[in-house]
Amino acid sequence: GENVEQHPSTLSVQEGDSAVIKCTYSDSASNYFPWYKQELGKGPQLIIDIRSNVGEKKDQRIAVTLNKTAKHFSLHITETQPEDSAVYFCVSHDDNNDMRFGAGTRLTVKP
Amino acid sequence: NAGVTQTPKFQVLKTGQSMTLQCAQDMNHEYMSWYRQDPGMGLRLIHYSVGAGITDQGEVPNGYNVSRSTTEDFPLRLLSAAPSQTSVYFCASTTPRLAGNNEQFFGPGTRLTVL
Repeated sequence: GENVEQHPSTLSVQEGDSAVIKCTYSDSASNYFPWYKQELGKGPQLIIDIRSNVGEKKDQRIAVTLNKTAKHFSLHITETQPEDSAVYFCVSHDDNNDMRFGAGTRLTVKP
Repeated sequence: NAGVTQTPKFQVLKTGQSMTLQCAQDMNHEYMSWYRQDPGMGLRLIHYSVGAGITDQGEVPNGYNVSRSTTEDFPLRLLSAAPSQTSVYFCASTTPRLAGNNEQFFGPGTRLTVL
């Protein structure tokens, strides 16, 4: 099947610094790219998404960029806070509801 | 709205036992799915359903059965539990594509241990 590669698997930053998580997908039919945040003991929750007709989307401190030619998309978190500590998953999604999750990135924000 | 609910939260089984993980949603979503989450592997799709009476296999369906008799409920059955099925299981329901996105709402998860 088509895979999504996500890097890094763990990321530790100082409070206030930026964090970047990158994903690469292989399915050319993918056209929707959500990011999920999973806090300890909970299910994943959607935090931001982007469609293939858009190159960048921003929502306060988080932003997502998409390079459809290179099949790359990234999550950017600025001015990180301790409550940003969680596991983040990227997902590639096509119109047939074929969804592939990345393996996840454990982000730790040190106060 | 309660969203997506799952029961039980925790379960310990012996090899060979069977059980059903319950999942219900009150958002009238047609699309529901079951995932398992294992360390370092993200979420993998077990089975999914595009509406009542319709189910299909995902990436890792072996050892699991599902049914969808109503829009609200999507139970996952383990027929004969094996230690390899030790995992955290998440049920999700998805907003319709016409809503503009395909946001998945996840339940709180069921942590299953098979001895």
